[in-house]
Amino acid sequence: DTAVSQTPKYLVTQMGNDKSIKCEQNLGHDTMYWYKQDSKKFLKIMFSYNNKELIINETVPNRFSPKSPDKAHLNLHINSLELGDSAVYFCASSRGLNNEQFFGPGTRLTVL
Amino acid sequence: GQQLNQSPQSMFIQEGEDVSMNCTSSSIFNTWLWYKQEPGEGPVLLIALYKAGELTSNGRLTAQFGITRKDSFLNISASIPSDVGIYFCAGRWEYGNKLVFGAGTILRVKS
Repeated sequence: DTAVSQTPKYLVTQMGNDKSIKCEQNLGHDTMYWYKQDSKKFLKIMFSYNNKELIINETVPNRFSPKSPDKAHLNLHINSLELGDSAVYFCASSRGLNNEQFFGPGTRLTVL
Repeated sequence: GQQLNQSPQSMFIQEGEDVSMNCTSSSIFNTWLWYKQEPGEGPVLLIALYKAGELTSNGRLTAQFGITRKDSFLNISASIPSDVGIYFCAGRWEYGNKLVFGAGTILRVKS
């Protein structure tokens, strides 16, 4: 009965590669998010989708492209990976844009 | 620019002690949330606050939405080893639509 799930949990890859992280929520929420947590544990929003529509797009390189095929899924594709992309990426969801957010377990991305 | 400050940065306390941490914002918030993150896991929501002055408890945890709407505190009473983790405050500015997070308070408990 996992609420917000992400795959993979760990991702190790070479610089320059393209990779995707998937997120699914079974809470019936309308809004989903991607956050990046750096090595100092600072959490910063990257994107937010509401009913499959992009609502928040922070200053993120356009190598990062979110895709929401339906309300329950929000995937993150990253092109031409760089060393600085190494971080833990969290997916989250909420009933609406101003409601409490529930987080997935995170994907630890390591770029070598 | 708008700033959100969380303190203390870390705490190392004896089991059984009470703990207090707080967050202050340079601008008015309309929501305060407190999360706990354990190693290898995502943040878990502890308490949500929506009104100035609101005081809410969740077991041994108590949090308050400051009257000025620019601060919030979280208290943990009679700490136990499983309280270990990083505690984050988060909130929305009055005219904002995104959640911003504090830098976190690392809590360690000596048993």
